[in-house]
Amino acid sequence: QQQVKQSPQSLIVQKGGISIINCAYENTAFDYFPWYQQFPGKGPALLIAIRPDVSEKKEGRFTISFNKSAKQFSLHIMDSQPGDSATYFCAASKASGTYKYIFGTGTRLKVLA
Amino acid sequence: DGGITQSPKYLFRKEGQNVTLSCEQNLNHDAMYWYRQDPGQGLRLIYYSQIVNDFQKGDIAEGYSVSREKKESFPLTVTSAQKNPTAFYLCASRVAGGGTEAFFGQGTRLTVV
Repeated sequence: QQQVKQSPQSLIVQKGGISIINCAYENTAFDYFPWYQQFPGKGPALLIAIRPDVSEKKEGRFTISFNKSAKQFSLHIMDSQPGDSATYFCAASKASGTYKYIFGTGTRLKVLA
Repeated sequence: DGGITQSPKYLFRKEGQNVTLSCEQNLNHDAMYWYRQDPGQGLRLIYYSQIVNDFQKGDIAEGYSVSREKKESFPLTVTSAQKNPTAFYLCASRVAGGGTEAFFGQGTRLTVV
């Protein structure tokens, strides 16, 4: 019940295209769903996050779509750029009790120029 | 500047040696975490701490030990009992309570020689 399953493992997109990464969770107690971006040799950094009281959140070219009934959420990168090439992790956490922060297995995105 | 600092950036360990990875934060965060990152396996939780002098095992704690004597510091010791220690280690911290951003250090790459 603590897992967060992420797909695909890798993704190649043409410049200007849409990149879509999906995550699914099991524990309905999770109530915070962030996406992190990691460049090689660096620590991950928060990209965008959503709470289950909304179905979508948009920040610039990045959008999270959240489906509470299906226990799924996804990251959409519009107008993908070569500079977006990185590894993306979804994660899940809950507001009370343990402060465990559970990560997906990551998606390596490559945007072709 | 506030942030989270890991040192060293690169570390080499001989077989049978214990080594300690440093993690310091000046963000006044209560919660701190250690993750191990291997290719294709995402971020796996080793240990986490919610308050000083208290910490809990994560999913892969065997062969590792931690201490939390100060709020700012959460060092990780990789013991000789860890049979496959070569990996990228990431430390993170966040405000107590769920639903908040985790801030990561730049990581330590440990190699067994």
